[in-house]
Amino acid sequence: GESVGLHLPTLSVQEGDNSIINCAYSNSASDYFIWYKQESGKGPQFIIDIRSNMDKRQGQRVTVLLNKTVKHLSLQIAATQPGDSAVYFCAENEGGGADGLTFGKGTHLIIQP
Amino acid sequence: KAGVTQTPRYLIKTRGQQVTLSCSPISGHRSVSWYQQTPGQGLQFLFEYFSETQRNKGNFPGRFSGRQFSNSRSEMNVSTLELGDSALYLCASSPGRGQAVFGYTFGSGTRLTVV
Repeated sequence: GESVGLHLPTLSVQEGDNSIINCAYSNSASDYFIWYKQESGKGPQFIIDIRSNMDKRQGQRVTVLLNKTVKHLSLQIAATQPGDSAVYFCAENEGGGADGLTFGKGTHLIIQP
Repeated sequence: KAGVTQTPRYLIKTRGQQVTLSCSPISGHRSVSWYQQTPGQGLQFLFEYFSETQRNKGNFPGRFSGRQFSNSRSEMNVSTLELGDSALYLCASSPGRGQAVFGYTFGSGTRLTVV
């Protein structure tokens, strides 16, 4: 798989490889984090979330890792498929909703055959 | 079940005009939030409504307003449009019980172009 540093606008991976998308968040008081996938012409689609009392959570082919010490969030996608091609956003929230979600800059994941 | 429906999908307006966008949430969802998405600023929170009351508001000028009806449908209005208001406006609904951001489902958005 390919590991990248903090936020890249674009990440290109080979089909079948693992993808890792990184995100740095700013608010140390944030306690809820979400990853979204946005395809062209559509709204953001929920992938996986994690609360601040956890450091890892797994879903179907996806894993989110949270490092509160350095305020870093990552999304790992296993065995990347063509349908995974999209822009991925991390989002954070403090206290459950008062100020909505604060979104990070997106990473455009490109899948190469 | 039906998802979040936003209408219209595309809109072109002239500077100085006003515009109203509509959002129908998922059945049973009582919270509706609005976001603006632009290439430069990304996704930014506008405001959130629950039971016809605005609970939260982002850092946008007063030209941006909204309301929610008794059936949870929501509208947002932008008055005196500026070129910089060109954006994709996204609506998200959630059950709203407790925390608004839990269980967000986004619509496909309304693409507003101001000329």
